[in-house]
Amino acid sequence: GAGVSQSPRYKVAKRGQDVALRCDPISGHVSLFWYQQALGQGPEFLTYFQNEAQLDKSGLPSDRFFAERPEGSVSTLKIQRTQQEDSAVYLCASSFGAVDGYTFGSGTRLTVV
Amino acid sequence: QQQVKQSPQSLIVQKGGISIINCAYENTAFDYFPWYQQFPGKGPALLIAIRPDVSEKKEGRFTISFNKSAKQFSLHIMDSQPGDSATYFCAASIKAAGNKLTFGGGTRVLVKP
Repeated sequence: GAGVSQSPRYKVAKRGQDVALRCDPISGHVSLFWYQQALGQGPEFLTYFQNEAQLDKSGLPSDRFFAERPEGSVSTLKIQRTQQEDSAVYLCASSFGAVDGYTFGSGTRLTVV
Repeated sequence: QQQVKQSPQSLIVQKGGISIINCAYENTAFDYFPWYQQFPGKGPALLIAIRPDVSEKKEGRFTISFNKSAKQFSLHIMDSQPGDSATYFCAASIKAAGNKLTFGGGTRVLVKP
């Protein structure tokens, strides 16, 4: 596709609910990243895939957060038992290679009530 | 630990003026320093980037100045236009370590006509 596509654009979840956020990277992009951006702050790294391999998940804040990219293209970020502090914009980015500049999607704004 | 510190948090500049944003980093292993522009409701978009073996890089109205010994780098926006009104983020990464970005806190720039 022309850009990184994320869905849904907005998600409201009740506290304790599980959510799944989807990322469609640019076709052919090997590297895929997830970031979390709290209101008024810079994005913070969550996890990184190279093809289907999750090479770095050091930024995932707790074991309630889980990401997968089973076929090396589409990725899903899952948050179990959501809490209010999970409210943020979740950004996905992709790049062709491991050392290239990358392209961000518009993000999914998650609000936990 | 905030590894990339950005200032100012916000600035107002008249049309045609120069916007200057500064960043300081701590980790001397960083070897890639990009700047991103973000509009409300959108993901960050790569503006310009520099490697530490170069002291300055210019692309159109945007210039990065890099001071390796001081561990500082800055973005200059020349001839600022109202369309430049956005939030700007500096970032840093180690390319060989997967290129995950550490972002500064952001600078909200308002260009008055």
